[in-house]
Amino acid sequence: QKEVEQDPGPLSVPEGAIVSLNCTYSNSAFQYFMWYRQYSRKGPELLMYTYSSGNKEDGRFTAQVDKSSKYISLFIRDSQPSDSATYLCALKRRYSSASKIIFGSGTRLSIRP
Amino acid sequence: DTGVSQDPRHKITKRGQNVTFRCDPISEHNRLYWYRQTLGQGPEFLTYFQNEAQLEKSRLLSDRFSAERPKGSFSTLEIQRTEQGDSAMYLCASSPSPTGDPSNQPQHFGDGTRLSIL
Repeated sequence: QKEVEQDPGPLSVPEGAIVSLNCTYSNSAFQYFMWYRQYSRKGPELLMYTYSSGNKEDGRFTAQVDKSSKYISLFIRDSQPSDSATYLCALKRRYSSASKIIFGSGTRLSIRP
Repeated sequence: DTGVSQDPRHKITKRGQNVTFRCDPISEHNRLYWYRQTLGQGPEFLTYFQNEAQLEKSRLLSDRFSAERPKGSFSTLEIQRTEQGDSAMYLCASSPSPTGDPSNQPQHFGDGTRLSIL
């Protein structure tokens, strides 16, 4: 079983729709949760970084963490064609000296104009 | 803050050749990471440095791979005797010194070096 599961998509929605992206994980040792956006032939760009359970909002983006269910989500409101990219969830263990990131496989998102 | 810089952006080489990639982290970031990403997958951790010390290596990093960060600034990743399976995007990331919990700083990625083995 993979440590992080993420639906690869592709996910196609019309412009202006609310997008919901999700990941599940298996190990409760993960305590830091991130969402990265990756455009084609580019590196991952950090969108959201959270530690605790609950919601964190930044503009049109909301990250939600449910540690009891081991489930994390990213919501995008008022989606734009420029949001078309691959979205990677990522996790880190707390108090890990290496602090390496464990990534999901990514969800490919397409916003139709 | 110019971001993490990687060079070259794309490298095409014949199987069996040696290749070297360079990463310049965000200035004053003392942690530097190398990841490998294949098509349709998320990045996988290879190794990381704190200043000039290489503190962890993944089992993905075979003997043909070597990474250095001689002065605690830029880093190089060398692959010797390249194989078809080495074709991937090699990503570098950096993060500042942690405060308290050593895991608590986010990593910022460069745009990677895409390696193609003929």
